[in-house]
Amino acid sequence: DAEITQSPRHKITETGRQVTLACHQTWNHNNMFWYRQDLGHGLRLIHYSYGVQDTNKGEVSDGYSVSRSNTEDLPLTLESAASSQTSVYFCASSDTRTGGREQYFGPGTRLTVT
Amino acid sequence: QKEVEQNSGPLSVPEGAIASLNCTYSDRGSQSFFWYRQYSGKSPELIMSIYSNGDKEDGRFTAQLNKASQYVSLLIRDSQPSDSATYLCAVNRLTGGGNKLTFGTGTQLKVEL
Repeated sequence: DAEITQSPRHKITETGRQVTLACHQTWNHNNMFWYRQDLGHGLRLIHYSYGVQDTNKGEVSDGYSVSRSNTEDLPLTLESAASSQTSVYFCASSDTRTGGREQYFGPGTRLTVT
Repeated sequence: QKEVEQNSGPLSVPEGAIASLNCTYSDRGSQSFFWYRQYSGKSPELIMSIYSNGDKEDGRFTAQLNKASQYVSLLIRDSQPSDSATYLCAVNRLTGGGNKLTFGTGTQLKVEL
């Protein structure tokens, strides 16, 4: 079955380290999104991509970067991890062929920065 | 003013009752509206989408949209303990090259035996 996966599911890292979170979808969706979810803030958009080689900043993009070299993957990189980036990270995708409005989420990555 | 507002709850309803969850949004250019269910420790799951004014029913769920009032609601009939979760309202707008969602902070629903 087609799906969206994230790895790792849990990660503990130290302040200042570079961290990359993986997102892989087999739906062949053009659109992919990264969110973080924190108590009191809900889901906030970090970066998104509407296709290969396309990347865009969301509302909380500082300290994060993404690259889109193929349709299936959108890795999220924390350049120098900070304690404020401790959060649960969700990847999502949507299909341009059906309007691109409905987003489907991966299982999430819980990141702790110590 | 937040773009998408929801009462955080918890909203407690007895088993078998109707649960009513509400959401307001500020951007009149919003075009599509969604309800996601999120169990504790899990990812959001899309349960309803609505694109035009009125009601849309799917099983025990009914989504209601009133664009003039900038109001979206979700009704859950015959509530079950398995419906206990946080419900996220999401609003879509077409911007630049595609669609983006803005989420509310969610309403926690508790269905009590």
